[in-house]
Amino acid sequence: NAGVTQTPKFQVLKTGQSMTLQCAQDMNHNSMYWYRQDPGMGLRLIYYSASEGTTDKGEVPNGYNVSRLNKREFSLRLESAAPSQTSVYFCASSDPGQGGRTGANVLTFGAGSRLTVL
Amino acid sequence: AQKVTQAQTEISVVEKEDVTLDCVYETRDTTYYLFWYKQPPSGELVFLIRRNSFDEQNEISGRYSWNFQKSTSSFNFTITASQVVDSAVYFCALSEAWTGGGADGLTFGKGTHLIIQP
Repeated sequence: NAGVTQTPKFQVLKTGQSMTLQCAQDMNHNSMYWYRQDPGMGLRLIYYSASEGTTDKGEVPNGYNVSRLNKREFSLRLESAAPSQTSVYFCASSDPGQGGRTGANVLTFGAGSRLTVL
Repeated sequence: AQKVTQAQTEISVVEKEDVTLDCVYETRDTTYYLFWYKQPPSGELVFLIRRNSFDEQNEISGRYSWNFQKSTSSFNFTITASQVVDSAVYFCALSEAWTGGGADGLTFGKGTHLIIQP
């Protein structure tokens, strides 16, 4: 009953350092997502992966890279962290769309990763 | 482009009062899906409801009810006889049906912080 697991839960970085947020799901979902949550901004989509082997940019992709390692895992990498990337990051996954339409999918979210860049 | 507006940044009521959280959306699609998610103080995001654009029936689940009106592009959420445990940030979200082209993922409003005082 793990659902979506994110690591680490907390991380402090210095400007310019790199790091990777890991995400894994055990629900056999095709689609996976990375969101960031900032005060007063709601959640904004960074990248998504509709299926294994594919990734696409969301609303705020600059400064991030992603890898869909296999069906279970979707990682988010910050190559050179900046203070503007201080945020809470959520990974999510969703089940296959109804008749090919993925808009109906209910997303299952991980617990979040709080990242601070000094 | 799709957009979700939650004009109420924060609402504070006394326990047992009824409270309505407003959600107004914009989309050019005729097929779309609307969602509400709850984020309690612990930080995880919990799915509450999904509604498709062809189903305008109101829904009631215990003390929770949702009013979907396409004529005003609104999907409002009412909690009846509120309780302290209802204190959370509530997000309304929109997803356009996707058949393999265009962006996937939810567009979230900025959230309404609901405070239920004992």
